[in-house]
Amino acid sequence: NAGVTQTPKFRILKIGQSMTLQCTQDMNHNYMYWYRQDPGMGLKLIYYSVGAGITDKGEVPNGYNVSRSTTEDFPLRLELAAPSQTSVYFCASSPKPNQETQYFGPGTRLLVL
Amino acid sequence: SQKIEQNSEALNIQEGKTATLTCNYTNYSPAYLQWYRQDPGRGPVFLLLIRENEKEKRKERLKVTFDTTLKQSLFHITASQPADSATYLCAGGGSQGNLIFGKGTKLSVKP
Repeated sequence: NAGVTQTPKFRILKIGQSMTLQCTQDMNHNYMYWYRQDPGMGLKLIYYSVGAGITDKGEVPNGYNVSRSTTEDFPLRLELAAPSQTSVYFCASSPKPNQETQYFGPGTRLLVL
Repeated sequence: SQKIEQNSEALNIQEGKTATLTCNYTNYSPAYLQWYRQDPGRGPVFLLLIRENEKEKRKERLKVTFDTTLKQSLFHITASQPADSATYLCAGGGSQGNLIFGKGTKLSVKP
């Protein structure tokens, strides 16, 4: 199993550009999450999904959108990128709600200039 | 708001000693706490989970405690090694069904 994979590893965006961060898991987990991690700060939940077709907002959803058309994929869309979205983005999955281990991807480092 | 606080940003210890990391929670009562290890440029990796009705849990050289009176969890690494150097994250279950993470404690184990 590859676990949770994320692409790209690193990206530089100009202000106002859009992009999609890809996340795929091959563990057949129903639950998937997107976090952002700013330097010296804890991970903050952006969006999560409890299964295909179902998504919900986390703590910091503004400026982002998600979709979940399949169990495996959970892409995160940034519209009109802003410098405040410079961060490291982690995707995670778990077989059950948060009482269980979350498996994290390697992260995508995004720089908005 | 619900918070997980790890008061020590960094902890430096000598090889062979026991490292003790602290995690406090405020404004809520998590049903469980989790500890993760994060190496530079990598995603967090799960280490241990402890539920509110469990006082202590062990896994090899790792031990975690949960004190609901003090609203605190302690994470211990015994016989620490330079390879244990990393950032350790504490996380608690939130009311939205999410995990709330602390900022982490960076542990450095010197040979």
